[in-house]
This record gives sequence, structure tokens and C-alpha cells, in this order.
Amino acid sequence: QVQLVQSGAEVRKPGASVRVSCKASGYTFITYDINWVRQATGQGLEWMGWMNPNNGNTGYAEKFQDRVTFTRDTSTSTAYIELNSLTSEDTAVYYCARTYGSGSFGYWGQGTLVTVSS
Amino acid sequence: QSVLTQPPSVSAAPGQKVTISCSGSSSNIGIYHVSWYQQVPGTAPKLLIYDTNKRPSGIPDRFSGSKSGTSATLVITGLQTGDEADYYCGTWDRSLGAGGVFGGGTKLTVL
Repeated sequence: QVQLVQSGAEVRKPGASVRVSCKASGYTFITYDINWVRQATGQGLEWMGWMNPNNGNTGYAEKFQDRVTFTRDTSTSTAYIELNSLTSEDTAVYYCARTYGSGSFGYWGQGTLVTVSS
Repeated sequence: QSVLTQPPSVSAAPGQKVTISCSGSSSNIGIYHVSWYQQVPGTAPKLLIYDTNKRPSGIPDRFSGSKSGTSATLVITGLQTGDEADYYCGTWDRSLGAGGVFGGGTKLTVL
């Protein structure tokens, strides 16, 4: 069965960077795009961008364009998100999600809580 | 401020029907398929409806989706207490700099 397993919770100080991983299993990793979505406590879902694991092509939401990077390691079927210049407003649960159908997010990781606090 | 507009909350009694609306524009719902997600607090979202009106395997036919123009609708019939959750619509937007977009979410309370 398709599974996306994310790395554990992180705590960072303002101005720092964080990298979260998302390990895929149960399907051919390079076949489907991986998207990243975040959710602040008590808030809605916010799309951050997508990555094609086959060729590494990416697309970022304009809001994050300057400080987010998506990468992947096809040898381990793992996708990564790195977010730089963190502020308290980046405190949220970060989800990876695999596409399904015509652009839906059909499979989700369990989420990774990133806390930014001085 | 979300690109897609949903009512903050809806409620109905067990066994009843509830409708959740999702309003967008000609750059998103008007031209792309719509998805619906169910999220129980503390857990990851779960895909309920994809490609506007299709259900993934395992999703009961009590859940249905539709679209008309720039608005979409999720209908849940035969409400169960287990349906109490937050519901989000999502799609894509071709406006400059846009990409994936979501509604603000609707809290369903089963009375």
C-alpha cells in the first residue's frame, strides 16, 4: 500500500533553516508528483509547491518562492523540503502529499510539526 | 484570506443530509477539477472526492461532489457521528504565481 512517512518534529530559532523528509513506499516513486502543504495550528491548508521526482522539476507558491527548496533522492524514494529564514509564522504542521487523479492529493504523510521559537 | 470560499461551519442531525459549498472563480474552479478532503483534528487530510465527482476506493457513496460554473458542492447523506470533521475543497489556479489552492475549511458538526 502507498505510504508516505515523514521525519519527526523539529524546533528552530528564528532565522534558521529546517529540512523535513518524506519517504515513499508502495509505488514507483518517480511516477507521481509530490506536493507540500502546511497547516498552522487552528488554521486551514496552505499549498507550498510541487516537485516531479523523475526530473526534479519544481513549482513553488509565490509566497515561498525565495526561501523554499524541494529536492529528492530517488535511490531512497525520499522527498525533502527545506525552508529558510524561519519566523514564528512558519510554525505549522508540514505535510507531503502524492498526487492522485487530475491533480488531487490522494496520499498524505503523517505530518511534521515545525516549531519556530526563540 | 483563502482563494476558495467555504462556509465556516455547517451542522445537521444523524441520518440527515448536509451540503458544503465552495466558491471560486474562472481561474480556478471554472477550469479545473475540484477535490474534497476530510480532516479529523490531529490527523492528516483524507481525500474524499477527486476530479470533481469521483470517489477513491473505500469512500462510501454517501459522499458526492459536483460543480457548476465557478462553484463546487460536497453533499453528505445519511450523516454519521463519525463524519464530524473539517472539510476542505481544493483545486488549482492559473493566475500568475498561483498553484494549488484550498478553501478555508468547513467544520461539520453532527448534532
